[in-house]
Amino acid sequence: SQQGEEDPQALSIQEGENATMNCSYKTSINNLQWYRQNSGRGLVHLILIRSNEREKHSGRLRVTLDTSKKSSSLLITASRAADTASYFCATVFHNAGNMLTFGGGTRLMVKP
Amino acid sequence: NAGVMQNPRHLVRRRGQEARLRCSPMKGHSHVYWYRQLPEEGLKFMVYLQKENIIDESGMPKERFSAEFPKEGPSILRIQQVVRGDSAAYFCASSPGQGSTYEQYFGPGTRLTVT
Repeated sequence: SQQGEEDPQALSIQEGENATMNCSYKTSINNLQWYRQNSGRGLVHLILIRSNEREKHSGRLRVTLDTSKKSSSLLITASRAADTASYFCATVFHNAGNMLTFGGGTRLMVKP
Repeated sequence: NAGVMQNPRHLVRRRGQEARLRCSPMKGHSHVYWYRQLPEEGLKFMVYLQKENIIDESGMPKERFSAEFPKEGPSILRIQQVVRGDSAAYFCASSPGQGSTYEQYFGPGTRLTVT
């Protein structure tokens, strides 16, 4: 399977702590994207990182990409209870059209 | 600029009935993608359409599922003779162009329950 896999599957932290989620994939990609999904809701796009980029920031979010290891990480700093959600990485693979291939997600719970 | 619209948000069908899910892309977007999400899982690609054309349907089940994106009106995902295993959330996404650099914007999803 070319699918990305997130690690850990579930993460529980206290408000104010940092949360790190990892994503691995198997074949060459054009880009990798991170999404958030609140329970029972649609997906919210967080960050897109291209294959020639190594790091991107957006507010309290930091995404890294290591194409040699075929892995990416999403760091949420100073977490808040409102960050409680599922986080998915999605990849666009070379020669695989435009569709996104999603991993199984990390379920993050931030306790107040 | 309204986002991607999907309706209905919730749909209940008995086994054997037909389900029609509608997706209106963002204004100016001519590329539509359908994904399915089973409980506690990530989304899985089903089909990619442009106006009046199916570009990639490699994720569509071979039977009972069809999709269209007519010149006028929303994109439709149609499931004939639904079975319990079709119960899932179906998400539509749209993008302004072709190519992997374009972000896909997701709708709120249609949650299909087959009883």
